[in-house]
Amino acid sequence: GAGVSQSPRYKVAKRGQDVALRCDPISGHVSLFWYQQALGQGPEFLTYFQNEAQLDKSGLPSDRFFAERPEGSVSTLKIQRTQQEDSAVYLCASSARTGLNSPLHFGNGTRLTVT
Amino acid sequence: GENVEQHPSTLSVQEGDSAVIKCTYSDSASNYFPWYKQELGKRPQLIIDIRSNVGEKKDQRIAVTLNKTAKHFSLHITETQPEDSAVYFCAASTNSGGYQKVTFGTGTKLQVIP
Repeated sequence: GAGVSQSPRYKVAKRGQDVALRCDPISGHVSLFWYQQALGQGPEFLTYFQNEAQLDKSGLPSDRFFAERPEGSVSTLKIQRTQQEDSAVYLCASSARTGLNSPLHFGNGTRLTVT
Repeated sequence: GENVEQHPSTLSVQEGDSAVIKCTYSDSASNYFPWYKQELGKRPQLIIDIRSNVGEKKDQRIAVTLNKTAKHFSLHITETQPEDSAVYFCAASTNSGGYQKVTFGTGTKLQVIP
């Protein structure tokens, strides 16, 4: 594909519902990141995958958040029992390599609203 | 972990004037500093980056400077145009266990007034 693709673009969930957010990175990109962007704030790191391995999940806010990338390409971020404070834009980014100077390519994000 | 502070949070300039956005970082191990532009409802896009072994980098109307000693870096936009209006994020990248961990600032909303 031409870029990082995320779906759905918008998601409204009732408090307590589970949601799943999908990310299709650029084909062949080794690294995949999930970020959470609250309104008026910068992206906050959630988790990092190198191929299928989740090497860093230190940014996940609670055990309600879970991410996977089973085949080293598509990734899913799952949020269980959503709360109002989970409302944010969830951004996925991929990069071709693991090292420095490898720019992050972002998707358009999924805007999650929990009512 | 790394902490990146960014100022100002909002900036209004007249078309044709210059705009400067400043950031500081805390982790001396950070050695790559990208800048992203995010238009309303769109994805952040890389506009320029600088490595720690370089003090300044320029790309047409955009330049970035880095002072490693003081741990601060700045974005300079000259001859601003209305299409420069967006939110700009600075970031600092640290090699963390074999991958780059990127920490973002809180953003600067730039408004260029025609």
